[in-house]
This record gives sequence, C-alpha cells and structure tokens, in this order.
Amino acid sequence: AQSVTQPDIHITVSEGASLELRCNYSYGATPYLFWYVQSPGQGLQLLLKYFSGDTLVQGIKGFEAEFKRSQSSFNLRKPSVHWSDAAEYFCAVGGNQAGTALIFGKGTTLSVSS
Amino acid sequence: GAVVSQHPSRVICKSGTSVKIECRSLDFQATTMFWYRQFPKKSLMLMATSNEGSKATYEQGVEKDKFLINHASLTLSTLTVTSAHPEDSSFYICSATGDRGVYEQYFGPGTRLTVT
Repeated sequence: AQSVTQPDIHITVSEGASLELRCNYSYGATPYLFWYVQSPGQGLQLLLKYFSGDTLVQGIKGFEAEFKRSQSSFNLRKPSVHWSDAAEYFCAVGGNQAGTALIFGKGTTLSVSS
Repeated sequence: GAVVSQHPSRVICKSGTSVKIECRSLDFQATTMFWYRQFPKKSLMLMATSNEGSKATYEQGVEKDKFLINHASLTLSTLTVTSAHPEDSSFYICSATGDRGVYEQYFGPGTRLTVT
C-alpha cells in the first residue's frame, strides 16, 4: 500500500538548535517527494521537492532534505531553527504520472523554545 | 510562481443549506484539480480528483452526492457541500496541476467551513 509515515507527532527544539524531521514512504513506483509547512489556519507552503538527480535538495527558509532510496526516507533538516519555524510539517509522496494526487503523512508539529 | 486562490476563505452556514467553494488557478491552466479535507490536527485527506471537462473521481468513502465537484474550465473548479451538517465542518484545500509542471501541485490557501 502507498503511504507516508512521519514517526514524530510533536517535536520541541530550542531556538538555534538543529532540526531533523523524519519521513518514510511506501510507494510502488518512482516517488516524487515533497515537504510542506503549514501555519495555523493557513494553506500549505512548499519547502522543497525531490524528483530526480542529486539526493540532497535545498529548499526555502534554510531547509534541506535528503532522499535515501535504500531506507525509503526523505528526512527534513535545518541546521539552526528560528522561532518562526514553529508550524506543522507535512511530508508527501506523489507519482511520476501527470495528475497524480499526493499522499500525505500525518504531520509533525514543531514547537520552538527560547 | 503558480498561484491558486480559493473563495471564500471562511464561511459559516446553517445546517441543511448548501455552500459552494471556488478554486481558481490564476496564472496557469489547471488540467487537474484536487480537493482535500483537513480535520483539526490531522493530515490532508484526498476527497476527489477532477479533470477539466470530466466527471470527478471520488475517493472511497466520500459521498459524491454530498460533495459536488465541477471543473468546467481550465482555471476553475468548485466544490459544493450540499445539505451541510455540523460534521462537514472542516478545512477544505484545493490544489492544481497543469501547464506549470504536471508533477507538482500548487495549493490554494484553504477554506474554513463551519456548519452551525
């Protein structure tokens, strides 16, 4: 079955500390992978995506993610977290066929402590 | 970048009435649009996929007679919640793919529906 697992429901990180949000996927075809961020009551903002090529992808706001096919993972990282990064983070997987819907993980809530 | 808008951003309606939510691609042609529903503190659940000029494809468990989806043009899809009930209260988000890259979805800002 196709699915996305985000093992961590809630993570608290001190401001300035590093962050890693985990994402594992199960997908029967070549996966296209995404990370989105959502602030309360808002829509989704794309942080970064992986389609092919370099397995380490850079995104906006200083985020990066690494695709590891052998581990079926696409973990999101940031070297130094800012208080404004507090939000809900969603990992998603889609297919390489036009018009394929995304499958979302359940999300990880990031809190940032001062 | 590609922009998708939704209208209204918030709507409150009485139980038993119908409400229409619009999803528009502002600067590209959206051949496929998706409707998602998000419960509080929960992930996005795909409700249906609509292709311009075709009937929508609904996910299992989604009542097609209750959630009417129309994709009459390459820039507009609508979701009509018919005979709304309080349990239909939710955050509805649309996304679109099209001539800006068929493998990437562009999301609207969402519509908060509250049924009283």
